[in-house]
Amino acid sequence: DAGVTQSPTHLIKTRGQQVTLRCSPKSGHDTVSWYQQALGQGPQFIFQYYEEEERQRGNFPDRFSGHQFPNYSSELNVNALLLGDSALYLCASSLNRRGPNSPLHFGNGTRLTVT
Amino acid sequence: GEDVEQSLFLSVREGDSSVINCTYTDSSSTYLYWYKQEPGAGLQLLTYIFSNMDMKQDQRLTVLLNKKDKHLSLRIADTQTGDSAIYFCAEVPGGGNKLTFGTGTQLKVEL
Repeated sequence: DAGVTQSPTHLIKTRGQQVTLRCSPKSGHDTVSWYQQALGQGPQFIFQYYEEEERQRGNFPDRFSGHQFPNYSSELNVNALLLGDSALYLCASSLNRRGPNSPLHFGNGTRLTVT
Repeated sequence: GEDVEQSLFLSVREGDSSVINCTYTDSSSTYLYWYKQEPGAGLQLLTYIFSNMDMKQDQRLTVLLNKKDKHLSLRIADTQTGDSAIYFCAEVPGGGNKLTFGTGTQLKVEL
């Protein structure tokens, strides 16, 4: 049973550049959420996708955008990178049919470093 | 406020019990969760408790919930070195779709 997979595992970018992170949900899951985890902190909710639409968004600027594909996989895009965007980006999947409190299953994350 | 609070650090001896505490913010949170994060890895769901329960036991893990005080705890019996990790509690405020995490408690298990 494949869990949540993310790519790439590590990425180094320069300020002002753009980045795309990818996520494949756990088999059978249809909902994908993205979180940002800065060093030494808990994860912060960026947004959630269901049925290819953004369903809920956290307190992140419009530089952060996403997409969900018909196969439920998802991408997170960040434009005009800032040093403060350096973090571990976590993707989590869940099954919407179980309602809003369906447990999230996380991938191992993408470590983004902005120099 | 919106902060889920946890103590930052806990050190225990192997074989002892560990108790990790959390104070959450939203009394309407239907479920409360405990996640484990090992170095360089994502978050692993350990257990969760429905808000109408006071206690849930799952092998070495016991979760206690005090809704009146909005206090959640995770007890790990017979703590092993493999339990060394950061533990996060999380709530779903307002019955919505996002998890709000605490700052995490780093558990160190010493021989």
